[in-house]
This record gives sequence, C-alpha cells and structure tokens, in this order.
Amino acid sequence: EVLLVQSGAEVKKPGESLKISCKGSGYSFTSYWIGWVRQMPGKGLEWMGIIFPGDSDTRYSPSFQGQVTISADKSISTAYLQWSSLKASDTALYYCARKLGYYYDTWGQGTLVTVSS
Amino acid sequence: QSVLTQPPSVSGAPGQRVTISCTGSSSNIGAGYDVHWYQLLPRTAPKLLIYGNSNRPSGVPDRFSGSKSGTSVSLAITGLQAEDEADYYCQSYDSSLSVVVFGGGTKLTVL
Repeated sequence: EVLLVQSGAEVKKPGESLKISCKGSGYSFTSYWIGWVRQMPGKGLEWMGIIFPGDSDTRYSPSFQGQVTISADKSISTAYLQWSSLKASDTALYYCARKLGYYYDTWGQGTLVTVSS
Repeated sequence: QSVLTQPPSVSGAPGQRVTISCTGSSSNIGAGYDVHWYQLLPRTAPKLLIYGNSNRPSGVPDRFSGSKSGTSVSLAITGLQAEDEADYYCQSYDSSLSVVVFGGGTKLTVL
C-alpha cells in the first residue's frame, strides 16, 4: 500500500524556524515527484511546489518561492517543507502528495502548523 | 480568488444526483489541460476521485463521474449518501502562471 505519513502538529512563535516531514512507503520513493499543498483556515488548496527525490530537482510556485524550502532525503524516503522565520500568516494545514502524471494520487494526512505569539 | 471557479456549496437529499462545476479559461482547461477532482473530509487525507477529466481510480464508486465541455468540467455524484458530505476540489495546470491550480472548493451538504 502506498502511504505518505506526515509529521505531527506544530505550534510555533513568529520568527521561529520549522521543518515538517512527509515519509513515503509502499513504492519507489525516488521515482515520483512529491508536492506540497497549503490550506489556510477556512480557505482552499494552494500548490506550493514539488520535488523529485531521485535527484532533488525542485520547483516552486512563484507565490511561495523564497518563502519556504522543499527538500528530500531519499535515504529515508522523506520529503520536507521548511521555514526559516515563521509568520502568523503561515498558520495552515500543509499536505504532501505524490504526483502521478499531472495529478496527485496519494496524499498525506496533513500537518497543522500554528504560528502565534 | 481561485483561477478555477467552483460553486461554494451544493446540496442534495440522499439518493439524489448533484453536480459540481469547475470553470477555467483558455490558459488552463481551455488549453486542453486535464482536470482532476479530490474529496476532502475533516481529519483525513484528501482522496483522488477523478483524474484526467473522467477517469476513476480503482476503489472509487461509479456513483462519481466526471465530464468536460470546453472550458468547463463537472463532477457528478449520483445516489447521494451521507458519507459523501465533504469538500470537493478540482485541479488543473495553468500555462500562463506555470503552476498547478485548484478551484476554490465546493462544500457538499447531504440534507
């Protein structure tokens, strides 16, 4: 069974750094792109960017370029999304998802990030 | 404001049929990019319902179907069940923005 398991909820203060994870199993992790999607409270889905764990080729949405960093460690089948300095507006539910063709066939359960002073 | 436009909400009684529209433009759906649909339930991983406009992944009931016409696509759900109450999102690609784009989401209420 293909699974993506994300790290648990986080509560952080503005200005702090954070790295959340997404661990894949049940398939060849290095052969599929992994994307990240944001859902702010009460809002819709926004595509943030994508990484190919096989060679760490990474693409960002212009809206998120420079705001977050997407990375992967293929040795442990894990993708990451990180912030160097969180803002209150980063409060959201973040999903990782496996890309198959031009759609996302398997999603993680989501990581809730709360940024509050 | 989302690039793909969906109605904020739809509703139907158990057993009825509902449709959710997703309207785009000449840089996404109209350009020939496929549309895919996802179901979001609280506290669970989003689920792929339809890919490539009208294809169902294995395990998705045939009560769910997708269609495309011009710059608009639709998700139809027949034989509504209480468990179908969820948020539904369409997704495509926009060549002008060079990004994956989602609709604003539609909340389905089963009356």
